[in-house]
Amino acid sequence: NAGVTQTPKFQVLKTGQSMTLQCAQDMNHNSMYWYRQDPGMGLRLIYYSASEGTTDKGEVPNGYNVSRLNKREFSLRLESAAPSQTSVYFCASRPSGGYNEQFFGPGTRLTVL
Amino acid sequence: EDKVVQSPLSLVVHEGDTVTLNCSYEVTNFRSLLWYKQEKKAPTFLFMLTSSGIEKKSGRLSSILDKKELFSILNITATQTGDSAVYLCAVERRNRDDKIIFGKGTRLHILP
Repeated sequence: NAGVTQTPKFQVLKTGQSMTLQCAQDMNHNSMYWYRQDPGMGLRLIYYSASEGTTDKGEVPNGYNVSRLNKREFSLRLESAAPSQTSVYFCASRPSGGYNEQFFGPGTRLTVL
Repeated sequence: EDKVVQSPLSLVVHEGDTVTLNCSYEVTNFRSLLWYKQEKKAPTFLFMLTSSGIEKKSGRLSSILDKKELFSILNITATQTGDSAVYLCAVERRNRDDKIIFGKGTRLHILP
């Protein structure tokens, strides 16, 4: 089992460029999450998906879109990148039903110039 | 608004010391509280607490939850340099939306 995988590991963008961060899990989990982590800010939830076909906004959704392509994959898109989106992005998944911890991917370090 | 507050935000101690990290929460429909350790990569799970007064223990780490006062503590005894990390507290809500709310974390640095 690979667990939760994310691509790319690193990315540098110019302001205004677009890109998609990919996330996949092979644990048959229903719930998937996208977080961003900035220095001193902990993990802030961008979007999450409680099941295939549903997505919901988290604390900081502005400037992002998501797609729950199927049960395995949950992608995060930046349509027009801004320097404020420079961060480390983590994808996570967990079984639904409560009382389950999240499993995290290795993260994507994104820099927007 | 739901929130999870951790204190202190940063802590520096010497190897061998004992540390206590705090997490307080105001969350509607509380279900469980989780502790994670994050070194220079993804967070890794430590404990899940659901009932008041029952200590969870793993080696030198232990944690307890007080649902009446809405807080949890994470204790680390006989600290080692390998304990240096950011410790994250998160709360799961009893809700169909499956949302989990994280605190800002406590950055712990152990001096040799």
